Amino acid sequence: QSVLTQPPSASGTPGQRVTISCSGSSSNIGSNSVYWYQQLPGTAPKLLIYRTNQRPSGVPDRFSGSKSGTSASLAISGLRSEDEADYYCAAWDDSLSGPVFGGGTKLTVL
Amino acid sequence: EVQLLESGGGLVQPGGSLRLSCAASGFTFSSYAMSWVRQAPGKGLEWVSVISGSGGSTYYADSVKGRFTISRDNSKNTLYLQMSSLRAEDTAVYYCAKGGGCSGGSCYSNFDPWGQGTLVTVSS
Repeated sequence: QSVLTQPPSASGTPGQRVTISCSGSSSNIGSNSVYWYQQLPGTAPKLLIYRTNQRPSGVPDRFSGSKSGTSASLAISGLRSEDEADYYCAAWDDSLSGPVFGGGTKLTVL
Repeated sequence: EVQLLESGGGLVQPGGSLRLSCAASGFTFSSYAMSWVRQAPGKGLEWVSVISGSGGSTYYADSVKGRFTISRDNSKNTLYLQMSSLRAEDTAVYYCAKGGGCSGGSCYSNFDPWGQGTLVTVSS
């Protein structure tokens, strides 16, 4: 069981906006930055969002991150077929002295 | 271009040992913390270990503490993971990634980029 809790699945149609939640605690999301990773089928994960709401160069502005208290969210607007992937949240956990991941959310574009 | 290339994976019997390597290029290796993250077949991501740029600071997940040792050779731009007392539940693709760890009083989970991964299978 993962320290951070994500819904196992999410879906949307092309052009829609979808959000993926990530719930944690005061020792991780509540006190540290949140990171989001995208893993396309058969490939290594890729950093999508860093420091809660920052996008690395090359990541479209359709992707955005936010945090409130001990929960975080990834929003994807203008959904496209190539967004179909697994998405993981991560944050450092002060109690465990290491990063923790969510269990991952499989996004399906209908 | 930053590149990370893992090697050393394979089939090992329970209780056995294996050493993974990650050759890095395209950045000043000694200036960055490096991490290992694994993914069991069909499962999610699990952080394994991180080492500071100098190699003087290391952290481990409880699941591998005392069995795995992370190290680095900055003269060879190479990261290592020595794994011993391997168990079936250690079966996974092991990724090396640039980043992670703590610096300046803050700790980060910024893994970017990742290598392509190397598969470790623990089975008799």
